[in-house]
Amino acid sequence: DVKVTQSSRYLVKRTGEKVFLECVQDMDHENMFWYRQDPGLGLRLIYFSYDVKMKEKGDIPEGYSVSREKKERFSLILESASTNQTSMYLCASMKPGLAGTDTQYFGPGTRLTVL
Amino acid sequence: GQQVMQIPQYQHVQEGEDFTTYCNSSTTLSNIQWYKQRPGGHPVFLIQLVKSGEVKKQKRLTFQFGEAKKNSSLHITATQTTDVGTYFCYPPGKSTFGDGTTLTVKP
Repeated sequence: DVKVTQSSRYLVKRTGEKVFLECVQDMDHENMFWYRQDPGLGLRLIYFSYDVKMKEKGDIPEGYSVSREKKERFSLILESASTNQTSMYLCASMKPGLAGTDTQYFGPGTRLTVL
Repeated sequence: GQQVMQIPQYQHVQEGEDFTTYCNSSTTLSNIQWYKQRPGGHPVFLIQLVKSGEVKKQKRLTFQFGEAKKNSSLHITATQTTDVGTYFCYPPGKSTFGDGTTLTVKP
């Protein structure tokens, strides 16, 4: 079974702090994603990565950056946390399939509260 | 941007009633996936549809892919309390999930 782990289930930080959210997958997947999920807004893509040291902006990258130094690890960085970044953050790892039939495997999520 | 639209956003049913959620796209999709997220959990892959007009069943769940490959539906027959959660459709390659339909079931 694919296993995607996230460093924390719950995190509380203060406004202005630099925040690191870590995601690790154990299936040698090339593709990894960071989403945030807010009530009524569904899953919104922040950043994704197709390979080590490669990153692409998603729909809402402002206020975030990412790092992919190793294939199994994809980090989301909040350079200066703000209260509007309070959210559930979900990491996903993607298993490539035939003809674009890619399946995403999600981690358990990190619920971040910024005070 | 948003690639697919899901309706309804919320659905509350009595246990035993049927439930359907719809996923619509303005463009032709190569395939569509469905995910389920239980309350407090994370999205989990349910199924993938690839062929025009395809119908797949998983126990009480029936998934359909439209003939034009622009829409899909998930139908649950005789809902149970274990069906509660949010159901998302996802067109692979677009990296954008539908907003989801949240189902609640009254015992």
